[in-house]
Amino acid sequence: GQSLEQPSEVTAVEGAIVQINCTYQTSGFYGLSWYQQHDGGAPTFLSYNALDGLEETGRFSSFLSRSDSYGYLLLQELQMKDSASYFCAVSGLYNFNKFYFGSGTKLNVKP
Amino acid sequence: GAVVSQHPSRVICKSGTSVKIECRSLDFQATTMFWYRQFPKQSLMLMATSNEGSKATYEQGVEKDKFLINHASLTLSTLTVTSAHPEDSSFYICSARGRGYSNQPQHFGDGTRLSIL
Repeated sequence: GQSLEQPSEVTAVEGAIVQINCTYQTSGFYGLSWYQQHDGGAPTFLSYNALDGLEETGRFSSFLSRSDSYGYLLLQELQMKDSASYFCAVSGLYNFNKFYFGSGTKLNVKP
Repeated sequence: GAVVSQHPSRVICKSGTSVKIECRSLDFQATTMFWYRQFPKQSLMLMATSNEGSKATYEQGVEKDKFLINHASLTLSTLTVTSAHPEDSSFYICSARGRGYSNQPQHFGDGTRLSIL
């Protein structure tokens, strides 16, 4: 089976940097994805890591350590619109199409 | 970019009604689509994998006779919640992944908010 752990809630101020961690346990790991979801909306793709290291996409970066079964999402220059829930999701070795999501981290950005 | 359309966006109906939700991939072919449900302030729970031209694969604990999935073409999958009851009220979301390399993201529909009275 799969299990993922994320902090339930994080609060930060505008302009700051915040890191959202994700640890996972899965039988056969392929990759770790990150999604953003605003209240009432659908998840939108942010980033994907299959190999160890840092992937940077604009203000968002994602890191993966396969040996530690750990990843994080780094959000820089926080803006109010970044207030949302952030989910990590693992895809498995035997079916990399199938995603299992963590419980989500609610990010509150304050002025 | 790839777009997934889901319809309807909201359904309110009486207990015992069957509800059909459509999921379409608009600019790519999706041999596989996924159906999730999400309760308020909770994570997305994978319900089933919809396979074009064959039976859906259900996750453990999901009743296949309750949640009927049909993937009639490479661009359309439907989820029918049969004889819906108040406990079936939830946010249902479909996703699809375009063909190509394994780093292709899943693209989600806008979701269907189902409320059973």
